[in-house]
Amino acid sequence: GAGVSQSPRYKVAKRGQDVALRCDPISGHVSLFWYQQALGQGPEFLTYFQNEAQLDKSGLPSDRFFAERPEGSVSTLKIQRTQQEDSAVYLCASNKGRLNEKLFFGSGTQLSVL
Amino acid sequence: AQTVTQSQPEMSVQEAETVTLSCTYDTSENNYYLFWYKQPPSRQMILVIRQEAYKQQNATENRFSVNFQKAAKSFSLKISDSQLGDTAMYFCAFMKLPNTGNQFYFGTGTSLTVIP
Repeated sequence: GAGVSQSPRYKVAKRGQDVALRCDPISGHVSLFWYQQALGQGPEFLTYFQNEAQLDKSGLPSDRFFAERPEGSVSTLKIQRTQQEDSAVYLCASNKGRLNEKLFFGSGTQLSVL
Repeated sequence: AQTVTQSQPEMSVQEAETVTLSCTYDTSENNYYLFWYKQPPSRQMILVIRQEAYKQQNATENRFSVNFQKAAKSFSLKISDSQLGDTAMYFCAFMKLPNTGNQFYFGTGTSLTVIP
């Protein structure tokens, strides 16, 4: 596609619900990143994929967070048993995986946990 | 660990005037990139300008330029002839080299308002 696409744009969940956030990267981009952006903060790294391999998940805040990219394109970030502190904007970014290349970002999913 | 600090949470500037946003960073790395990203209300992060640490010459992109002081670990963004469309959050970011994954670090952002 022309850009990184994320859905839904907004998600409201009751505490304890599971949510799934989708990222569709730019076609041909092998690297995919998930970031969490709390209100008034900069994006913070969650996890990184190269094709279908999850090479780094050191930023995932708890075992309630799970990400996958089974076919090396679309990725899903799943949050189980959501808590209020999970409320944030979740940004997805991708690039071709070449060293030093900039990131292309989506518009994010704003998650509100009530 | 790398840290990026933006000490100005909010700034404003009159349309057509010039404004400078500050950024400092802390790293022990010698090779890295620095970026300024713009995040308008649409939330999409848009690259404004990029600077390679090994280049002494300051990067320039049209109305946007940087003042890169490597020894001082400072990377400020100057916006000339400010336009209403420049109103957005601006994030300074550091990328360690070689970048093989999670080596992007962002500051907390500066909210810039251009006043007509």
